[in-house]
Amino acid sequence: DSGVTQTPKHLITATGQRVTLRCSPRSGDLSVYWYQQSLDQGLQFLIQYYNGEERAKGNILERFSAQQFPDLHSELNLSSLELGDSALYFCASTPDTARYGYTFGSGTRLTVV
Amino acid sequence: DQQVKQNSPSLSVQEGRISILNCDYTNSMFDYFLWYKKYPAEGPTFLISISSIKDKNEDGRFTVFLNKSAKHLSLHIVPSQPGDSAVYFCAGGDRGSTLGRLYFGRGTQLTVWP
Repeated sequence: DSGVTQTPKHLITATGQRVTLRCSPRSGDLSVYWYQQSLDQGLQFLIQYYNGEERAKGNILERFSAQQFPDLHSELNLSSLELGDSALYFCASTPDTARYGYTFGSGTRLTVV
Repeated sequence: DQQVKQNSPSLSVQEGRISILNCDYTNSMFDYFLWYKKYPAEGPTFLISISSIKDKNEDGRFTVFLNKSAKHLSLHIVPSQPGDSAVYFCAGGDRGSTLGRLYFGRGTQLTVWP
């Protein structure tokens, strides 16, 4: 157990629907990062939050949004889902910056049918 | 903008032999590098890191080499074991950056066969 908790582990939904992925960072970590891993695409950075505020944005679609709450958990919202959104979504956390690397959660596997 | 590149999507090695995984980067501001290992249905886990002030870091069977002039690093696994079969991600970062995020390569699937 890495200390980073992601729920749900698996999600199957239909095109056009909206889903919410949840991440609880490791205790004491203020930064949360979201990554998408599609087939053969490696780890694509989506967005970073630090202590409730958005810090950096990567290749995140406009249909996707995220937030970090006062208790530091984060949610990634995916809407108007398309087949191509099927992927593994990982959350990672760090105390502040990534100077000592990330701790990853076990991921949420999203399947859009 | 792929700042970290792993040009070999896969590598197959016999058990007991050396596995060498390669990684190139373009951002000269990167001052530390990490390797992560990922098994199917699990999140990536930290394996080994190296600071840019070093050219080698060793941890048991795993050694990472850094060639700053070539902007190249490699991970050596000796001897390779079947349990090492996984996807290996190389990552680079800039400790001085306020953003502080890591940049990942696309990964190399290592298969170690008996």
